[in-house]
Amino acid sequence: QKEVEQDPGPLSVPEGAIVSLNCTYSNSAFQYFMWYRQYSRKGPELLMYTYSSGNKEDGRFTAQVDKSSKYISLFIRDSQPSDSATYLCAIKGGSYIPTFGRGTSLIVHP
Amino acid sequence: GAGVSQSPSNKVTEKGKDVELRCDPISGHTALYWYRQRLGQGLEFLIYFQGNSAPDKSGLPSDRFSAERTGESVSTLTIQRTQQEDSAVYLCASSMAEKTQYFGPGTRLLVL
Repeated sequence: QKEVEQDPGPLSVPEGAIVSLNCTYSNSAFQYFMWYRQYSRKGPELLMYTYSSGNKEDGRFTAQVDKSSKYISLFIRDSQPSDSATYLCAIKGGSYIPTFGRGTSLIVHP
Repeated sequence: GAGVSQSPSNKVTEKGKDVELRCDPISGHTALYWYRQRLGQGLEFLIYFQGNSAPDKSGLPSDRFSAERTGESVSTLTIQRTQQEDSAVYLCASSMAEKTQYFGPGTRLLVL
């Protein structure tokens, strides 16, 4: 079992939909949880960073962490075509090197 | 500059040649990481530099891969005797100590 599992998609939704992106992880020592967005032919950019269970909101984005289930989610409200990208989760424990999921490709069509 | 920069942005080389990829981290960032991203795959950790400490080379896939960093500035990733399976995007990231990472745009390497 990989340390971080993420469905590669693609996930295709209509504009305005609520998007749910998810990752599961196996190591309970993981404490820091990040979501990156990667546009085609660009490097990943940090969207959300959290280190506790519960929800963290930033504009249309909400990151949710459930440590008991080892499950993290990123919700995007009122999705826009400009949200079309690959979304990578990254999880870190005591090590300085995060473990990345393989990314979920999201397509928001007008 | 404001962000991490990498050069070249694209590199096409012939199998067996050596290539050098460069990363300029954000000024003041003590940590620097190299990753490899194959098409449709996640990020594969290669090497990590933190200040003047010995680098963590545990992710380098073979002895054809090496990297150097001058102090807390520029880093160079070298791939010797390139193979077709080395074709990928090579991403560099920097951070303040163990804080979150900021990525460069990557170098797209194609080995023919």
